[in-house]
Amino acid sequence: QVQLQQSGAELVRPGASVALSCKASGYTFTDYEIHWVKQTPVHGLEWIGAIDPETGVTAYNQKFKDKATLTADKSSSTAYMELRSLTSEDSAVYHCTLGATVYWGQGTTLTVSS
Amino acid sequence: DIVMTQAAPSVPVTPGESVSISCRSSKSLLHSNGNTYLYWFLQRPGQSPQLLIYRMSKLASGVPDRFSGSGSGTAFTLRISRVEAEDVGVYYCMQHLEYPYTFGGGTKLEIK
Repeated sequence: QVQLQQSGAELVRPGASVALSCKASGYTFTDYEIHWVKQTPVHGLEWIGAIDPETGVTAYNQKFKDKATLTADKSSSTAYMELRSLTSEDSAVYHCTLGATVYWGQGTTLTVSS
Repeated sequence: DIVMTQAAPSVPVTPGESVSISCRSSKSLLHSNGNTYLYWFLQRPGQSPQLLIYRMSKLASGVPDRFSGSGSGTAFTLRISRVEAEDVGVYYCMQHLEYPYTFGGGTKLEIK
């Protein structure tokens, strides 16, 4: 069955960077885009962007263009999202999802705090 | 960006009754191919969002037929008939007509 397994919770310092991962299984990794979604109590669900694992082509929400970088490793069927120059505003639950439809990871909680 | 609006932050409902949840978009989500690119999700407490409805009115696999979606190009309704306790959570609409995809603010279904 299709599964998206996300990396564990992170606690990072302001100003640092972090890479979140999303390991896919149960389907051909290169057949579908992986999308990333941010969730906070204040802003709700926000679409960050998407990557085509076959080509590496990405699409970003302009709001996150300078914050997030999406990559995908076909050899390990894993998608990554790097977040940089972290501030408290980046504290959130981050979801990866297959095409922003049926299949979602369990979410990764990121806390930015000194 | 397309703005998605869910006016009601919460809706109380008695088990066994029906409820409708509304969503509006700032731009028509009707594509020239005839499809309307609107999803409905349910997020139960502590879980990731679950797809209920796609293309405005099509029921996702495994979703009870108590759920139904309808609407026009800019106004949408999710109807839940015979509400059960397991339906509790936050309901979100999302447009996937164009990037950036955007979500409504959510409507919390509460059991009376």
